[in-house]
Amino acid sequence: GAGVSQSPRYKVAKRGQDVALRCDPISGHVSLFWYQQALGQGPEFLTYFQNEAQLDKSGLPSDRFFAERPEGSVSTLKIQRTQQEDSAVYLCASSLENPRNSPLHFGNGTRLTVT
Amino acid sequence: QQPVQSPQAVILREGEDAVINCSSSKALYSVHWYRQKHGEAPVFLMILLKGGEQKGHEKISASFNEKKQQSSLYLTASQLSYSGTYFCGTAFSGGYNKLIFGAGTRLAVHP
Repeated sequence: GAGVSQSPRYKVAKRGQDVALRCDPISGHVSLFWYQQALGQGPEFLTYFQNEAQLDKSGLPSDRFFAERPEGSVSTLKIQRTQQEDSAVYLCASSLENPRNSPLHFGNGTRLTVT
Repeated sequence: QQPVQSPQAVILREGEDAVINCSSSKALYSVHWYRQKHGEAPVFLMILLKGGEQKGHEKISASFNEKKQQSSLYLTASQLSYSGTYFCGTAFSGGYNKLIFGAGTRLAVHP
């Protein structure tokens, strides 16, 4: 009965370092999203997976951002050569069916601080 | 493409009512509503689908005007636990599966 799990909960990186953020969706959930949430703002779409297929990556801010979900369950968001503007909370969400008509279940997020 | 929410912030006393609005410039397939408390994950409240179907909590009331591409969330007899930031997420007609969220409406309920 576990929900969406994200790790680490907090990450501090020096500018230029690479980071990897992990998301464990609810078992059996087909759809998986990554969102970026800046302080005081709404979640901003990054990318969307249906099973292992990345169907939309139009929200990834630059080619430093890369996401994968190789077996259709766990997903990893990787950010290379981090910059200060990458500091934000990164939220993962999953849904059982088509996300247009079924609820998204969010994880607690990873708060990334780039110094 | 981001939906516009209004008002940006609301302050209520317990028992008072509020309406939060969400509007889109694109044709919508569905509207989702979520509430996020500080430092926590957004929590699902309701989905309103084109055609009138609704899914969500019985105590939450909302509407979806398909012609105007607008949705409203009605919070009645507010409780302290209603405090948080409310986000609408919109899914567009035309086969796109992603949800685009508004900037949020901050609600504070005081005793």
